[in-house]
Amino acid sequence: AQTVTQSQPEMSVQEAETVTLSCTYDTSENNYYLFWYKQPPSRQMILVIRQEAYKQQNATENRFSVNFQKAAKSFSLKISDSQLGDTAMYFCAFPGGSQGNLIFGKGTKLSVKP
Amino acid sequence: KAGVTQTPRYLIKTRGQQVTLSCSPISGHRSVSWYQQTPGQGLQFLFEYFSETQRNKGNFPGRFSGRQFSNSRSEMNVSTLELGDSALYLCASRSGSSYNEQFFGPGTRLTVL
Repeated sequence: AQTVTQSQPEMSVQEAETVTLSCTYDTSENNYYLFWYKQPPSRQMILVIRQEAYKQQNATENRFSVNFQKAAKSFSLKISDSQLGDTAMYFCAFPGGSQGNLIFGKGTKLSVKP
Repeated sequence: KAGVTQTPRYLIKTRGQQVTLSCSPISGHRSVSWYQQTPGQGLQFLFEYFSETQRNKGNFPGRFSGRQFSNSRSEMNVSTLELGDSALYLCASRSGSSYNEQFFGPGTRLTVL
């Protein structure tokens, strides 16, 4: 079965510091995408970053970057220069099934403290 | 482009009733997926519709059903509501490819009393 595991239910970080959120997954697919979504208290799910599994280069979006280790099936999210607005639930996800419905991890609740 | 919209935002029902939730995807998106989010189970896939046909289905009982109209708007129906159906129901749309980004709506918070 395809699964996504986020082992850190909660994390906190001081403003301006760096934090890394972990995610491991299990799939027998060879070509796939991986996603990190952010869900702030307003509940709107927003895509943070996307990684294509066939690309060896790690994806980067401004302060957000990933460390993608395909062999280890690991996909961690690094947030640099954390801001108060980064406070949210973060979900790791990848398209499971033949038509790409998303399989989500349980999420990591990140609190950025001033 | 306008984002994904969901109505209503909040809903309170009692056990045994039925409920219909609505989702309007981003213009041009033909795929609409529905997810249930609860504190205990997290985010779980319900079903996906593409061009008015159910393309994929999660592991939920038959009380959960949906449909999609020719304008890609989708509705989700839950019959004979149970307390455990209390959840945030999220709708997401994408243009069609399996690996395209899914854009989420703000969700409908359903409370079953």
